[in-house]
Amino acid sequence: EIVLTQSPGTLSLSPGERATLSCRASQSVSSSFLAWYQQKPGQAPRLLIYGASSRATAIPDKFTGSGSGTDFTLTINRLEPEDFAVYYCQQYGSSPRTFGQGTKVEIK
Amino acid sequence: QVQLQESGPGLVKPSETLSLTCTVSGGSISSGSYYWSWIRQPAGKGLEWIGRIYLSGSTDFNPSLKSRVTISLDTSKNQFSLKLSSVTAADTAVYYCARAGTTVTYVGPFDSWGQGTLVTVSS
Repeated sequence: EIVLTQSPGTLSLSPGERATLSCRASQSVSSSFLAWYQQKPGQAPRLLIYGASSRATAIPDKFTGSGSGTDFTLTINRLEPEDFAVYYCQQYGSSPRTFGQGTKVEIK
Repeated sequence: QVQLQESGPGLVKPSETLSLTCTVSGGSISSGSYYWSWIRQPAGKGLEWIGRIYLSGSTDFNPSLKSRVTISLDTSKNQFSLKLSSVTAADTAVYYCARAGTTVTYVGPFDSWGQGTLVTVSS
């Protein structure tokens, strides 16, 4: 099973700033099959990024994914109030599918 | 646009079986283009993949739950279902159903989710 470790656990930033979230895998993620999700309170997760760097449908270009192998990053430019949420990475290159523990982006 | 909706009892007694159904609208389970999964999230915690099913009936489960999980498909109702046996308080969580697209070579991420349903295990 691939263990995904996200850091930091909480990121305190102001609107307009850039957020940089990390996701590290315990072993190489096959074919960069790494996704990022955004989850707001009381809502289901929403797919943001797949294939490590491809944006899902209707996701603005302020969200950028990068990385390969075992190290992946999600960057969120120009934070807006609606971007403050919890973000999860997930690998879909092997079974069982696994998620990171999440990074909470909160308003400073 | 596809929509997924979970349904089932919100309260289950310890040692009993949790049963949930996911109804898919705006798309057909029979299309063969997707895998259908269950994922859960305890309050204030992260996401745990439970397992999935494909149109053929092929299933795949998280080893941590495999001995207690059954996932089935009802194409006539455009639904798929989860059964989790011998539940304990540790199974209390919001349960989501979700869809993942598939090609010849791989099964993708979860691109559509239900809103989730809270299941509490308590006597």
